[in-house]
Amino acid sequence: NAGVTQTPKFQVLKTGQSMTLQCAQDMNHEYMSWYRQDPGMGLRLIHYSVGAGITDQGEVPNGYNVSRSTTEDFPLRLLSAAPSQTSVYFCASSYSGAGSPLHFGNGTRLTVT
Amino acid sequence: AQTVTQSQPEMSVQEAETVTLSCTYDTSESDYYLFWYKQPPSRQMILVIRQEAYKQQNATENRFSVNFQKAAKSFSLKISDSQLGDAAMYFCAYRTPYSGGGADGLTFGKGTHLIIQP
Repeated sequence: NAGVTQTPKFQVLKTGQSMTLQCAQDMNHEYMSWYRQDPGMGLRLIHYSVGAGITDQGEVPNGYNVSRSTTEDFPLRLLSAAPSQTSVYFCASSYSGAGSPLHFGNGTRLTVT
Repeated sequence: AQTVTQSQPEMSVQEAETVTLSCTYDTSESDYYLFWYKQPPSRQMILVIRQEAYKQQNATENRFSVNFQKAAKSFSLKISDSQLGDAAMYFCAYRTPYSGGGADGLTFGKGTHLIIQP
């Protein structure tokens, strides 16, 4: 039981490049989400999904796309990277219901130069 | 929109002593959940404790306990017998079943950096 697996752990991009951050969970969780963590800002919700085929925007969705074709996977796409997207990205999943604790991946540190 | 405030950017405590981390939140909902997460230098996010708003009893997990004051919208974390391994960033977080058309996810505070002095 691997939990929530994020790849890669580190990534450096040039401005304007695109990339996909991968997230997979093996706990059969319906809910999956992406957060970004910036110094002094806590974690902020980018996008989330309550089930396969259903996605919605969080607090800071601009510049990011998501899709949920399977229960297990929830990739985050940066279409045209900008220095403002330099951050640590976390994927998290849980069972349905606001009281279900989120299980987090180990994060991806992304630097955009 | 809900907000979560952690007013202590950094706290320091001697090993084996007790420390309390503060958290306040703003919401108009009556049903919600509150969480404390720990983030050590490894960057991993670890659930420390969870509180249901409709339960008056304060949650406890071993050396970790909360003081939940619903009317005051306060949710502090008490760590007893502090250990070196408790050194980390601690985040308070809020979530409600009723997003009211808003996003469904955790709202985090900005965190408190806890230092344990040996």
